[in-house]
Amino acid sequence: DSGVTQTPKHLITATGQRVTLRCSPRSGDLSVYWYQQSLDQGLQFLIQYYNGEERAKGNILERFSAQQFPDLHSELNLSSLELGDSALYFCASSARVQGDTQYFGPGTRLTVL
Amino acid sequence: AQSVTQLDSHVSVSEGTPVLLRCNYSSSYSPSLFWYVQHPNKGLQLLLKYTSAATLVKGINGFEAEFKKSETSFHLTKPSAHMSDAAEYFCVVSDPLDTGRRALTFGSGTRLQVQP
Repeated sequence: DSGVTQTPKHLITATGQRVTLRCSPRSGDLSVYWYQQSLDQGLQFLIQYYNGEERAKGNILERFSAQQFPDLHSELNLSSLELGDSALYFCASSARVQGDTQYFGPGTRLTVL
Repeated sequence: AQSVTQLDSHVSVSEGTPVLLRCNYSSSYSPSLFWYVQHPNKGLQLLLKYTSAATLVKGINGFEAEFKKSETSFHLTKPSAHMSDAAEYFCVVSDPLDTGRRALTFGSGTRLQVQP
């Protein structure tokens, strides 16, 4: 158990809908990262937050957004969902901004029908 | 820009035989390198990490990896495979000089099968 929690474990929704994925980092970690794992794209970095502020952006679509709250939990919002958004979404946390080991949560499996 | 190439998409070994999973990286500076393992329907677990200390890094479950700068390689090995080692393994690079746009860059993964 990495100490990173993600909810829900599974999410099934329809195209055009909006969903919110939640992540709680390990106790004491200030950085939260979001990744997408799909069969065709592999594991891709989406976005990083550090202590409430956005620090780095990867291959994140404009339909996706994230935020980190004062209690350091983070939410990833996915809107106008398409079939191709079906994937496993991972959250990871680390103690500092960059260079630290990232510890991954169990993931949320999103299925868009 | 950093990148990582896992040279084998699938590796199959017999239980009790050695494991070798190959990884080559490209980085503009002295990177941090990681191996993560993903068991079916599970999250990613850190196996080991290299951060410019000893070039031979020991990880959990008997795995180790050797950093070879001249070959830009970071291959993962284990002397004797166990059935529970069957999983997907990811080689990962983190470049401290990267702007952070791709804080961690993952390889495409190697699926390890262990035959009884």
